[in-house]
Amino acid sequence: EDQVTQSPEALRLQEGESSSLNCSYTVSGLRGLFWYRQDPGKGPEFLFTLYSAGEEKEKERLKATLTKKESFLHITAPKPEDSATYLCAVQADWASNDYKLSFGAGTTVTVRA
Amino acid sequence: SAVISQKPSRDICQRGTSLTIQCQVDSQVTMMFWYRQQPGQSLTLIATANQGSEATYESGFVIDKFPISRPNLTFSTLTVSNMSPEDSSIYLCSVDGDTGELFFGEGSRLTVL
Repeated sequence: EDQVTQSPEALRLQEGESSSLNCSYTVSGLRGLFWYRQDPGKGPEFLFTLYSAGEEKEKERLKATLTKKESFLHITAPKPEDSATYLCAVQADWASNDYKLSFGAGTTVTVRA
Repeated sequence: SAVISQKPSRDICQRGTSLTIQCQVDSQVTMMFWYRQQPGQSLTLIATANQGSEATYESGFVIDKFPISRPNLTFSTLTVSNMSPEDSSIYLCSVDGDTGELFFGEGSRLTVL
């Protein structure tokens, strides 16, 4: 069974204080790893898809990287509006015929001005 | 990305009653997914709804408790039957994008008293 573990559970940052979130995964062949942002009371918002080890994606102050066992979401010089819960999800290889996403529990990031 | 509308956005229900959640998508999609997000936890897939066929339920979820309809390619409903306080959750409708990512509605927050 696919497993996704995110750490830390919560992260409190000062504005401008860069940090990283971790997502470690166990899956029988990775088709894709997905990062989402979820604001309170809202549905998750898609951020990135990573497909293979060594791949990187960037969006504003966020950069996602992928290895064979884990992914990192780096937040550079965060602002209060980056406060949210960040979710990681994995999708197994199409060959396994299991297309659904398995989600981690998320990391709640709070950025103080 | 698809625009997904869910109704109701929130509701307070009495134990033993049932509630139907509606999900409307602005484009035709083959598969629609229903997720549950219990307080403080991550997303758990309830079932996959294909138009013209019975929904496929994940382990731990049964049709009698969570009947799903999928009458056309842009609409689906999820009913939470005979509710108990343990059913208090956010229920999310989602559709998949071109590269495996999911797009979510805003969610329906149910509180069962």
